[in-house]
Amino acid sequence: KAGVTQTPRYLIKTRGQQVTLSCSPISGHRSVSWYQQTPGQGLQFLFEYFSETQRNKGNFPGRFSGRQFSNSRSEMNVSTLELGDSALYLCASSLEVTGSGYGYTFGSGTRLTVV
Amino acid sequence: KQEVTQIPAALSVPEGENLVLNCSFTDSAIYNLQWFRQDPGKGLTSLLLIQSSQREQTSGRLNASLDKSSGRSTLYIAASQPGDSATYLCAKNDYKLSFGAGTTVTVRA
Repeated sequence: KAGVTQTPRYLIKTRGQQVTLSCSPISGHRSVSWYQQTPGQGLQFLFEYFSETQRNKGNFPGRFSGRQFSNSRSEMNVSTLELGDSALYLCASSLEVTGSGYGYTFGSGTRLTVV
Repeated sequence: KQEVTQIPAALSVPEGENLVLNCSFTDSAIYNLQWFRQDPGKGLTSLLLIQSSQREQTSGRLNASLDKSSGRSTLYIAASQPGDSATYLCAKNDYKLSFGAGTTVTVRA
């Protein structure tokens, strides 16, 4: 059974550019969440999507957005990149929406470097 | 205030010793708590999931306990091996996962 797939694995972007990251959840999983990991702040919740709808959102500026498609695949977009956006972005999938009691499975992440 | 705290921040033990990793969290209104392992530069690997109604969960050499009333969880790793060297993260699940800063474990051969 394939795990959570994130693409690309690595990205280097320039300040001011925008970037799109992709996440394919485990087959049958309908919830996709996104997290940012930095040395200073640790792991922080960005947002969760379920049935193509954003269900929960963390404390990040509007430059961070996402969407989910009918096949449960999800994309995350960051516009007007800043140096502080350099991080490991992790996607996690779950069978059902948070609160249902199911655990999360994480992908390997996308390492974004903003120069 | 940190929602999830992990103590100690780092741990170094000789091979064969048992490991005890602590996690404390605020607000006992959680759905479940999950323990993860992270190797350098990699994603998170789920180790154990404990539902809020459970007291403990076991998988092989790993055992995790949960005391919701006191806001504590403990991960025990029996007979540690060098391959257990990694950062261990606990995360409480309310409407999202809130993570501790992790405990970095080094098992010396």
